[in-house]
Amino acid sequence: KQEVTQIPAALSVPEGENLVLNCSFTDSAIYNLQWFRQDPGKGLTSLLLIQSSQREQTSGRLNASLDKSSGRSTLYIAASQPGDSATYLCAVENLQGAQKLVFGQGTRLTINP
Amino acid sequence: DAGVIQSPRHEVTEMGQEVTLRCKPISGHDYLFWYRQTMMRGLELLIYFNNNVPIDDSGMPEDRFSAKMPNASFSTLKIQPSEPRDSAVYFCASSSTGLGSYNEQFFGPGTRLTVL
Repeated sequence: KQEVTQIPAALSVPEGENLVLNCSFTDSAIYNLQWFRQDPGKGLTSLLLIQSSQREQTSGRLNASLDKSSGRSTLYIAASQPGDSATYLCAVENLQGAQKLVFGQGTRLTINP
Repeated sequence: DAGVIQSPRHEVTEMGQEVTLRCKPISGHDYLFWYRQTMMRGLELLIYFNNNVPIDDSGMPEDRFSAKMPNASFSTLKIQPSEPRDSAVYFCASSSTGLGSYNEQFFGPGTRLTVL
């Protein structure tokens, strides 16, 4: 059974710092991995999707990497801003998962001005 | 496109009442998912549909929960009778298997359900 873990559960950093969020998964037979952002009381916003054949994806100040063999993904945020404060979730779709996503518990990120 | 639309955004009801949550997926998407989010259990997949047909309902907690998708642009999740432990945020999401989509899921804003 696929399990997704995100550590730490919470992270607080000063504005302007570069930071890395971690995601690990137990079964490397995945189709893709998605990173989402969730603001308090809101839905999930898709940030980046990495296909299993890719190593990384970039969008603006965000860069997500995937190391399928070690069961790890990282989300790198450059030059953090207070507006980046949110909970970040990663989710994997297994090769045999038929579209089902397995989510981590998320990392709650706070950027201090 | 307006994205995934859910209604109502908030619902407060009393134990034993019937609750119906509604979802309109993104036009052209062929998959629709219902999730539940709580502090204790995080995000859980309840059921999903492909081309309006339920594919996997193994996440539905019990017979009090039912979901339908009568057409490609509308789905409902019904709880009858509701119980306080059903209090959660319920999300609907949709995705496309079209070329270049890679099954990316897009979420609605959610319905916050409180059962008193």
